[in-house]
Amino acid sequence: DTAVSQTPKYLVTQMGNDKSIKCEQNLGHDTMYWYKQDSKKFLKIMFSYNNKELIINETVPNRFSPKSPDKAHLNLHINSLELGDSAVYFCASSQDPDTGELFFGEGSRLTVL
Amino acid sequence: ILNVEQSPQSLHVQEGDSTNFTCSFPSSNFYALHWYRWETAKSPEALFVMTLNGDEKKKGRISATLNTKEGYSYLYIKGSQPEDSATYLCAFYNDYKLSFGAGTTVTVRA
Repeated sequence: DTAVSQTPKYLVTQMGNDKSIKCEQNLGHDTMYWYKQDSKKFLKIMFSYNNKELIINETVPNRFSPKSPDKAHLNLHINSLELGDSAVYFCASSQDPDTGELFFGEGSRLTVL
Repeated sequence: ILNVEQSPQSLHVQEGDSTNFTCSFPSSNFYALHWYRWETAKSPEALFVMTLNGDEKKKGRISATLNTKEGYSYLYIKGSQPEDSATYLCAFYNDYKLSFGAGTTVTVRA
């Protein structure tokens, strides 16, 4: 039973389209995150939600909009996709946002053509 | 953006040998230092979360030390095995977020 699950795992789409990536965690954690793995393989934080409330928005274009319907879900919606949005996106959760370890999903590879 | 640097970027180790590599991070406003292990085609998994200067943590053949005053942490692998091949990430926790280094990719040769 996967602790942090993301769907879809692979997504190929055209420039200009709108797409969503869903994330769900069954760990009972209060805090969820979206990270982007950039071209140099760095994991960079995009957003963090604690109990459905946005606490970090890390200079991400407005085309990216996270939505947290409840504390077990954090979805990422991307409008007007651009070539540069191609990356692997990782969802994660933690119990303690201060020192708690992150539990990562398996990643969603987005390719924009 | 916080500067978290890991060195070396990659290393090759003979099976049975021990190795270590470093993570440097800002020494001011320290809160926590995380180490993660990331195997190919999988997601990163936490190894250690370290919060106190002088902390040493161990999990099997892998251990880590922490020096918050000078801003570095070492990860040690004793008696490397092929299953230790992975990218090891460190991450500095500050201001509600983790800033990751680029990782050290370890390849253990049988």
